[in-house]
Amino acid sequence: AQTVTQSQPEMSVQEAETVTLSCTYDTSESDYYLFWYKQPPSRQMILVIRQEAYKQQNATENRFSVNFQKAAKSFSLKISDSQLGDAAMYFCAYRSAGSHFGNEKLTFGTGTRLTIIP
Amino acid sequence: GAVVSQHPSRVICKSGTSVKIECRSLDFQATTMFWYRQFPKQSLMLMATSNEGSKATYEQGVEKDKFLINHASLTLSTLTVTSAHPEDSSFYICSARFSQLLFGSGTQLSVL
Repeated sequence: AQTVTQSQPEMSVQEAETVTLSCTYDTSESDYYLFWYKQPPSRQMILVIRQEAYKQQNATENRFSVNFQKAAKSFSLKISDSQLGDAAMYFCAYRSAGSHFGNEKLTFGTGTRLTIIP
Repeated sequence: GAVVSQHPSRVICKSGTSVKIECRSLDFQATTMFWYRQFPKQSLMLMATSNEGSKATYEQGVEKDKFLINHASLTLSTLTVTSAHPEDSSFYICSARFSQLLFGSGTQLSVL
C-alpha cells in the first residue's frame, strides 16, 4: 500500500516571502500522480497543482511550483510571493495511474498548516 | 460549470438516530464517487467508493452496515450513518471525477 508523509505539521511565512512544504511518499509503482490540495477554513478541498510521475519536468501553476524527485520519492511544494489568502491546510496526495476501477482514489498525507504573517 | 454539491453542510443528531448525507454532481455525470472522512486536525481517509447501479466498495475497517452508501443515479450518491454514536462525529467529504477530482464542501456531523 502507498503511504504519504508530511513531516511539517505547521509552517509559517512572512507575507511576500517564499515557503516550501515537504512531502515524501512510498510506492512500488512506477506510474502515478501526485497532488497538492489546499483546504482553507471553509474546508473546501482545492487542487493546487498536479504532477505526473512519468514527466520529469516539475509542474508549475503561477506562484506554486513543485520539486519532484522520483528516485527520492519526494514531492515538495514551493509557494512564492506568499499571500494572506494562501493560509490553509495543505495536503499532499498520491494516486495510482491507470483507468481501471479503484485507481481514482487518493491517499493523503497528514497535512501542513500554513500561516501567513502580515 | 461542473460542481460537486454536498448537503447538509452541518448536522447535529441524537445518539441512535440515522443521518443521510447527499452528494450530487452538477452539470456532469459521475459513475463513481468517493466518500472520505476527516477527523479534527487529521487527514482525509477514504471510506468507500460508490458505484452507480452496484454495491459500494468499502475500505478495510469501515463498517458497511453502519455507513450505508447508495448510488442510485449518475448524479446522486448518499451516505447514511445508521444508529449514529458520538464516535461517528466527524467531517465527511464526497468527491467525483470531472477532468480532475472535484470535492464537495463537506458535512460536519455531530452526534450528541
